[in-house]
Amino acid sequence: GNSVTQMEGPVTLSEEAFLTINCTYTATGYPSLFWYVQYPGEGLQLLLKATKADDKGSNKGFEATYRKETTSFHLEKGSVQVSDSAVYFCALPDSGNTGKLIFGQGTTLQVKP
Amino acid sequence: GAGVSQSPSNKVTEKGKDVELRCDPISGHTALYWYRQSLGQGLEFLIYFQGNSAPDKSGLPSDRFSAERTGGSVSTLTIQRTQQEDSAVYLCASSLLGGAKNSPLHFGNGTRLTVT
Repeated sequence: GNSVTQMEGPVTLSEEAFLTINCTYTATGYPSLFWYVQYPGEGLQLLLKATKADDKGSNKGFEATYRKETTSFHLEKGSVQVSDSAVYFCALPDSGNTGKLIFGQGTTLQVKP
Repeated sequence: GAGVSQSPSNKVTEKGKDVELRCDPISGHTALYWYRQSLGQGLEFLIYFQGNSAPDKSGLPSDRFSAERTGGSVSTLTIQRTQQEDSAVYLCASSLLGGAKNSPLHFGNGTRLTVT
């Protein structure tokens, strides 16, 4: 089946620093790719998505570009805020159109003022 | 509108007892998922319901785990004879269409299960 690997955390940054969280995938075909975010004490919520190669998903200042050449979907933000402190998950559908969504291990981001 | 609701939010139980975790999905969502989130382990898929199709149970870790979805809406995850390794946050999610291609998952806040 499909799989996803993301960089281990925790990542600790100062406010206004540049953020990159790496995500690479192994997949049959070209499935949609997703980033979910989990704020403290809450469930996961969709942050952004890209449905085909070279698409760029963006939301709340975060961006990620679907790169089929490098099988990557790295999450970036130019200037992080304390409120961005959360756990970030890269995800993609499993192969065979089963409906199952496969998640990475999650990367904890802590932004200090 | 209301989001995905899970109850209880916290559950402490003794080893060997049975527990039931409840999930109320968003109305009209055909797909419902259960995941388990353990510290440092990411999200582990447990089971997936899509409409009236047979559920995908491929992620259930043992026969002590079972789930049902009544009337295409509310779902209950049951863990029998709980063990300490069952301690985790159990997350439920629903999706309008399932398949995940253009139908994102909406998660509840989870049930934190602690087995003592």
